[in-house]
Amino acid sequence: ETGVTQTPRHLVMGMTNKKSLKCEQHLGHNAMYWYKQSAKKPLELMFVYNFKEQTENNSVPSRFSPECPNSSHLFLHLHTLQPEDSALYLCASSQDSGVSTDTQYFGPGTRLTVL
Amino acid sequence: GESVGLHLPTLSVQEGDNSIINCAYSNSASDYFIWYKQESGKGPQFIIDIRSNMDKRQGQRVTVLLNKTVKHLSLQIAATQPGDSAVYFCAEILHAGNNRKLIWGLGTSLAVNP
Repeated sequence: ETGVTQTPRHLVMGMTNKKSLKCEQHLGHNAMYWYKQSAKKPLELMFVYNFKEQTENNSVPSRFSPECPNSSHLFLHLHTLQPEDSALYLCASSQDSGVSTDTQYFGPGTRLTVL
Repeated sequence: GESVGLHLPTLSVQEGDNSIINCAYSNSASDYFIWYKQESGKGPQFIIDIRSNMDKRQGQRVTVLLNKTVKHLSLQIAATQPGDSAVYFCAEILHAGNNRKLIWGLGTSLAVNP
């Protein structure tokens, strides 16, 4: 495996379900990110982890709960989601989120549909 | 063909033509800019970047131009190919104190006609 991988690629869930998205990076990076991508809107940064510590939480509802057990893995735990949460959830990694020219590398995303 | 990224989200060009994708960024204090390409079913992929102390940078078939006076960024793709069909995003890096913020554009969809 190379780069940034995400599983599952597609997920359909009901509003009462609990599910988790997984991201793994094989680039030796120290920072990982969750983004939400909705149609006709700019990418929305949700969470940032740098060296396993959460450094940003952009007012994300508590029904989204991130977990970063180590610098290579990032999870997004989902519970009691709303239909408007349906979107493409992208994971990214970078060398160090504190570096000004740090480039982010993205996974393919998980297409989430909430019924 | 040309587009203004935030106001005309779709650009259609003929294969072999040059493409110009434009982006108006928001903050004069932004000091680093990146272009990403997102193909259908994939995540955004880094194409090229430019620092604010430069006004032009070239890569393989791509050139980024930066005009700080009017806060304008453009991506030029030479001899556009069908594989260039994708959504292109510009992003600016803004530093506020010790914080670094990445601001994404809306994206421009490029369609290459054979």
